[in-house]
Amino acid sequence: RKEVEQDPGPFNVPEGATVAFNCTYSNSASQSFFWYRQDCRKEPKLLMSVYSSGNEDGRFTAQLNRASQYISLLIRDSKLSDSATYLCVVNKYSGYSTLTFGKGTMLLVSP
Amino acid sequence: DAGVIQSPRHEVTEMGQEVTLRCKPISGHDYLFWYRQTMMRGLELLIYFNNNVPIDDSGMPEDRFSAKMPNASFSTLKIQPSEPRDSAVYFCASSFQGRNGYTFGSGTRLTVV
Repeated sequence: RKEVEQDPGPFNVPEGATVAFNCTYSNSASQSFFWYRQDCRKEPKLLMSVYSSGNEDGRFTAQLNRASQYISLLIRDSKLSDSATYLCVVNKYSGYSTLTFGKGTMLLVSP
Repeated sequence: DAGVIQSPRHEVTEMGQEVTLRCKPISGHDYLFWYRQTMMRGLELLIYFNNNVPIDDSGMPEDRFSAKMPNASFSTLKIQPSEPRDSAVYFCASSFQGRNGYTFGSGTRLTVV
């Protein structure tokens, strides 16, 4: 089983739609979780951290289910500028650690 | 802060040549990471440093790859000799205490022909 698995997509949605991405991770010892965004031919950039209680940042909502080892990202009212690849990211330890990246889910928002 | 700075942005080289990629982390960050990204394998961690000391190089694919961090503001990743399968985008990232995510540089797009 891969350490971090994501549906590669692409997800094609119209502007204004709500879209959700899921991600599963294999290491139950993982302590920190993130969503990164990567635009075409650019570097990954931190979108948001994912907390156990779930968290929201504007139109973006992240959820964590430790029992199922599952992370989700919900985007409401999609904008054209949301078109990108969304990377699910997990680190293994609470102290020193390295981040393991999923291959990403591509989102295409159309007018 | 200028962010993580990588050079060159693009590198095209012939098989067998030596390639050196450079990275300047964000000032004050104590962790530095080298990643490689390809369509097939996604982002793979090659090596990381903490306070200039290599901690884990298990991701370095072969002895042809080496990395150094002579001081807190500079790191290099060297491939010698280069092969076509090394073609990828190489990212450097830095972090403070390894938490709260990493900041990536713009990457070096390497093509070995």
